[in-house]
Amino acid sequence: DAKTTQPPSMDCAEGRAANLPCNHSTISGNEYVYWYRQIHSQGPQYIIHGLKNNETNEMASLIITEDRKSSTLILPHATLRDTAVYYCIVRFTHSNSGYALNFGKGTSLLVTP
Amino acid sequence: DTAVSQTPKYLVTQMGNDKSIKCEQNLGHDTMYWYKQDSKKFLKIMFSYNNKELIINETVPNRFSPKSPDKAHLNLHINSLELGDSAVYFCASSQGGGGAEQFFGPGTRLTVL
Repeated sequence: DAKTTQPPSMDCAEGRAANLPCNHSTISGNEYVYWYRQIHSQGPQYIIHGLKNNETNEMASLIITEDRKSSTLILPHATLRDTAVYYCIVRFTHSNSGYALNFGKGTSLLVTP
Repeated sequence: DTAVSQTPKYLVTQMGNDKSIKCEQNLGHDTMYWYKQDSKKFLKIMFSYNNKELIINETVPNRFSPKSPDKAHLNLHINSLELGDSAVYFCASSQGGGGAEQFFGPGTRLTVL
C-alpha cells in the first residue's frame, strides 16, 4: 500500500469547515483513499473512501486531485465532537480476503468553541 | 445494540500470567481482526480471520494466539504476559476484506505490572 503524509495537528473553529490534507504521491491506479478517525479512547470509525471522483456522505466530503497524488477530507461544519485523530489510508480493494488497515500517525484535529 | 463488543474493557495483571480477551460481532460479518495500539498511539494489525480461517498473521510473538470458534467471535489469548504487552487491543470486523469498511470495538486496555 502507498505511504501517506498528513500534518500532525490542525485547529478548527466550531461551525467552520475543517479541511484535512493528505499526500499520497506514490499511489497506484487501483488503490483507494480511505479516511478513518479515532475519537479519544474509542475504536477507529470509518468516514469515507474514494478512487478518483469526489465523494460525499453524511459525515464528510472527499476531494481527490486529478493526478490522485493528494486528497482533502472536508468536515463541512465542524463540531466539538469532531475532535479526533484523522487517518488517511491508501489500500487495494481487489482481494476477497481480509486486508489490514495500515494506520499512520494521522492528524490530530482540535475543534475549538 | 453494540455491533462489535469486547470483554473485558480493562485488564490489569502481573507479568507472567496468561489472559484472554474476547470479541464478538453481531453484524453477520465474515472477517475479523485484532489490532494493537501502543503507548505512542500507533495502531498495528496483529491478526485477521476470514470464515474462521487465519489469513493475516503479522510478526507477533507466539505467546499471542487468536482463536475463532465461529464467524462471530475472535478471541485473543496471551501467554506469559510481558511489560511490553501493555497496550489497547482493538477488535474489528468487516464483510469480506479488500475495501470493506471495518467496524471497530471499544478496545481493551491491558496493563501488565
